[in-house]
Amino acid sequence: GAGVSQSPRYKVAKRGQDVALRCDPISGHVSLFWYQQALGQGPEFLTYFQNEAQLDKSGLPSDRFFAERPEGSVSTLKIQRTQQEDSAVYLCASSLSRDRGYGYTFGSGTRLTVV
Amino acid sequence: AQSVTQPDIHITVSEGASLELRCNYSYGATPYLFWYVQSPGQGLQLLLKYFSGDTLVQGIKGFEAEFKRSQSSFNLRKPSVHWSDAAEYFCAVGVYNNNDMRFGAGTRLTVKP
Repeated sequence: GAGVSQSPRYKVAKRGQDVALRCDPISGHVSLFWYQQALGQGPEFLTYFQNEAQLDKSGLPSDRFFAERPEGSVSTLKIQRTQQEDSAVYLCASSLSRDRGYGYTFGSGTRLTVV
Repeated sequence: AQSVTQPDIHITVSEGASLELRCNYSYGATPYLFWYVQSPGQGLQLLLKYFSGDTLVQGIKGFEAEFKRSQSSFNLRKPSVHWSDAAEYFCAVGVYNNNDMRFGAGTRLTVKP
């Protein structure tokens, strides 16, 4: 596609509910990143994929967070047993190359509110 | 670990006035440096980037930024601000072969008519 597509745009979850956030990167982009952006803050790195391989998950805040990209294109970020502190905008970005010189193309994000 | 500081949380300028947004970074090696802009409800759009070479880089929408190694700074400038420039601006630092690109907390720009 022309850009990075994320769905849903908004998600309200009850505390304890599981959620799944989808990212559809630009076709052919090798690298895919997930970021978490809390209100009034800059994005914080969660995890990185190169094709289908999850090469870095050091930013995932707890074992309730899980990400996958099974066929090297679409990625899903899953949060189990959501907590209020998980409320944030979750941004997906993709890049043509692992070389950050290309910069990232970001999606519009999914705003998750846990009530 | 690398870090990014944007000292100004909120800046207000008049339309047509010049703009400078400050960014300071902390890292031992020469990092990759970026400026992104985020409009409400939107993702981040890359304005410009620096890796090496000429320390004054030009970006989209008439923005430019200057890398000053001695000051560990990468300030964003625009000679004449337009009302459509009102948004949140993020400075980011990345390291080659490291996936953890760090963003500053952002500077919100308000443009007065």
